Amino acid sequence: DAGVTQSPTHLIKTRGQHVTLRCSPISGHKSVSWYQQVLGQGPQFIFQYYEKEERGRGNFPDRFSARQFPNYSSELNVNALLLGDSALYLCASSFRYREMIETQYFGPGTRLLVL
Amino acid sequence: GQQVMQIPQYQHVQEGEDFTTYCNSSTTLSNIQWYKQRPGGHPVFLIQLVKSGEVKKQKRLTFQFGEAKKNSSLHITATQTTDVGTYFCWGTYKYIFGTGTRLKVLA
Repeated sequence: DAGVTQSPTHLIKTRGQHVTLRCSPISGHKSVSWYQQVLGQGPQFIFQYYEKEERGRGNFPDRFSARQFPNYSSELNVNALLLGDSALYLCASSFRYREMIETQYFGPGTRLLVL
Repeated sequence: GQQVMQIPQYQHVQEGEDFTTYCNSSTTLSNIQWYKQRPGGHPVFLIQLVKSGEVKKQKRLTFQFGEAKKNSSLHITATQTTDVGTYFCWGTYKYIFGTGTRLKVLA
């Protein structure tokens, strides 16, 4: 089975632009989470979606938004990009939504550079 | 807000030496997971601990969950160069990753 896939792998944008990142979960997984990982730091939780509904949101500004589609794939959108948005954006899928027990399978990430 | 701190931040060891990283949460965790991230890679799930005082072993890796479920540790016996990477603990409540411990193994 294919693992979690993300596209694009790398992206260069300029300040003020908008970006859309995409994620396809492992087949059968209905939950997708997004994380931002700045170089040298741990991943920071942005969103979790389950069954097309937002189930969790981290401490990120409204410029960040996401959605999940009927096939459980997901998009992360970031508007009005800032230099500080430069990071590795990770998508993780899990089989079911239970905060108590979830193993997350991470994709390779999208490296975003904002100039 | 809830914080999950790991110590040490960095650790350099000679190949064959042991290594331990500690994870401490400001609040009680329902369960905890450990991930390893190789340089340039993405986090990979290692193990999940659920019960208070739980100890699990995977070959040279030993994981422990504290009695109060506020701390955890990962111990690697006889490190190898393949152990290089950053080890993160992850509290499933609020999806918070620990600050990570970066391990370098000198051959």
